[in-house]
Amino acid sequence: AQSVTQLGSHVSVSEGALVLLRCNYSSSVPPYLFWYVQYPNQGLQLLLKYTSAATLVKGINGFEAEFKKSETSFHLTKPSAHMSDAAEYFCAVTSGGYNKLIFGAGTRLAVHP
Amino acid sequence: NAGVTQTPKFRVLKTGQSMTLLCAQDMNHEYMYWYRQDPGMGLRLIHYSVGEGTTAKGEVPDGYNVSRLKKQNFLLGLESAAPSQTSVYFCASTHQGAPGYTFGSGTRLTVV
Repeated sequence: AQSVTQLGSHVSVSEGALVLLRCNYSSSVPPYLFWYVQYPNQGLQLLLKYTSAATLVKGINGFEAEFKKSETSFHLTKPSAHMSDAAEYFCAVTSGGYNKLIFGAGTRLAVHP
Repeated sequence: NAGVTQTPKFRVLKTGQSMTLLCAQDMNHEYMYWYRQDPGMGLRLIHYSVGEGTTAKGEVPDGYNVSRLKKQNFLLGLESAAPSQTSVYFCASTHQGAPGYTFGSGTRLTVV
């Protein structure tokens, strides 16, 4: 069965600094991969997805992620953090058919002035 | 375009009470899902449905039942609520050939 590991339950960066949120998955077959963002007391919003096209995927709000099959990773990056990026971020992978998703435990991003 | 609508948004139950959470989508999606979100555990799949009249168990189905009598609606029931079911519940839906969910805004349930 698939699993998703997000390294670091909390990440803190300064405004303007690089954001790097790590995600590793376990699969010998490349799955579909997703990053979602959750702002306080809201639902999950899709940031970006990898569906076997380009390995570098660009999403909303300046985020991007690179699929690296050799490292089974799909890390999320943003060159310059903004205060409005403070939220919880979830990596997810398809597993077991019917578009079912397995989610990582989440990484809470804090952005300080 | 409403997307995925969940009702209610908040609820407090006493142990042993029952309730039903409603999820409605207006995108003609075939697949629908119920997840629970708990701190430090991400989202875990409770039940899902791949079409009207069909349901299947997910990772954490115990204590929950579901029904999908109409394509646009997916109901999650708690027959006898327990404090361990205190959580935030999310409904999601997707087209058969299009991975990636549209989520509802969630239901925050507290069982005391």
